[in-house]
Amino acid sequence: AQSVSQHNHHVILSEAASLELGCNYSYGGTVNLFWYVQYPGQHLQLLLKYFSGDPLVKGIKGFEAEFIKSKFSFNLRKPSVQWSDTAEYFCAVTFSNDYKLSFGAGTTVTVRA
Amino acid sequence: DAGVIQSPRHEVTEMGQEVTLRCKPISGHDYLFWYRQTMMRGLELLIYFNNNVPIDDSGMPEDRFSAKMPNASFSTLKIQPSEPRDSAVYFCASSLSSGGVETQYFGPGTRLLVL
Repeated sequence: AQSVSQHNHHVILSEAASLELGCNYSYGGTVNLFWYVQYPGQHLQLLLKYFSGDPLVKGIKGFEAEFIKSKFSFNLRKPSVQWSDTAEYFCAVTFSNDYKLSFGAGTTVTVRA
Repeated sequence: DAGVIQSPRHEVTEMGQEVTLRCKPISGHDYLFWYRQTMMRGLELLIYFNNNVPIDDSGMPEDRFSAKMPNASFSTLKIQPSEPRDSAVYFCASSLSSGGVETQYFGPGTRLLVL
């Protein structure tokens, strides 16, 4: 069955530390990949997306993600986090150009000042 | 651009009451999605529409849930009768297709508490 998994449930970092959040999916066909962020009490906002082309995509707020097809992964990275990056991060996937988004369970990131 | 608009933002009701959640998608978008977010189950797709027509309602949990989209600028999600386990944040999202999958834009959500 098609699924999306995020391995880290809660990550705690200090400011200026580097961040990497894992996302894997199980599906052998075409996928479209997204990372959304949800700041406390707010709605989901798109950080970045991958549809095709360069597997390294850059998003807003200094985030980037790399699609590694052989590993079925789409990990999110930021070289130096700020306190304002405290939020919940969701990986989401559409399978075979279906319009339905399947979300991972989310990773809560807490950045300590 | 006003973004996706949802109302009410918060709803507290008693078990057995009817609840209606409302959504106005971004103008011109032809896809509309309803999601539910809970601590236990995360984000789940309930139903989505294309050009006002329901395409997939397999995520609707029970017959107590129903959704309509009478026109391109308005959709409702109704729960009747409501139960405490329906307490969750309900998000509406919309997207504009251009021959393929496109980004979904989310509304602020309706936080529902059923007592």
